[in-house]
Amino acid sequence: DVKVTQSSRYLVKRTGEKVFLECVQDMDHENMFWYRQDPGLGLRLIYFSYDVKMKEKGDIPEGYSVSREKKERFSLILESASTNQTSMYLCASSPTRPGANVLTFGAGSRLTVL
Amino acid sequence: DAKTTQPTSMDCAEGRAANLPCNHSTISGNEYVYWYRQIHSQGPQYIIHGLKNNETNEMASLIITEDRKSSTLILPHATLRDTAVYYCIVRVAIGAGGGADGLTFGKGTHLIIQP
Repeated sequence: DVKVTQSSRYLVKRTGEKVFLECVQDMDHENMFWYRQDPGLGLRLIYFSYDVKMKEKGDIPEGYSVSREKKERFSLILESASTNQTSMYLCASSPTRPGANVLTFGAGSRLTVL
Repeated sequence: DAKTTQPTSMDCAEGRAANLPCNHSTISGNEYVYWYRQIHSQGPQYIIHGLKNNETNEMASLIITEDRKSSTLILPHATLRDTAVYYCIVRVAIGAGGGADGLTFGKGTHLIIQP
């Protein structure tokens, strides 16, 4: 019954490493999102995409990039991981109008950067 | 987006109705009210949304005041599994690009269901 799958539940990486977080949805949704969640700061939008090969910056895109080569897959890339990117990362998807804000979230990927 | 104000935390007895308030006094005519919840260590889960009419689904009911400046999410028979952070979000249905442009989650209300 899982509809949004994040490839790794827990990751530990070293400072400076390139990190890929993968997200796949099986609902044929047009929109996909990446958030990070930190204690006291809540969920913050990093990037989103409303179509294949399209990407839009969210509120905190610095230090991240994304890739959407196929409709079902949205990848978050940390080119050179830093300790301040230690966080819980949440992927979500939603259909286009009129349900564009009805998001289905994955279980999350907890990243620790040492 | 219209800002929302929610209590930081609430308690409710198991089996009773949980009523979660949300103030959104600056809501615009084309903005919907969305409710999500997040159970500990899980991703947020969509509950319900509405524009101006009251809405009900298998999870909850949403009551929006006539002036649309506030709303209440009602969980009719709360269980221990309803303990979670509940987020009230106000947003237009369609973003500028024709699709979604992301939701902004605030601090929400931490609802604790007491046995």
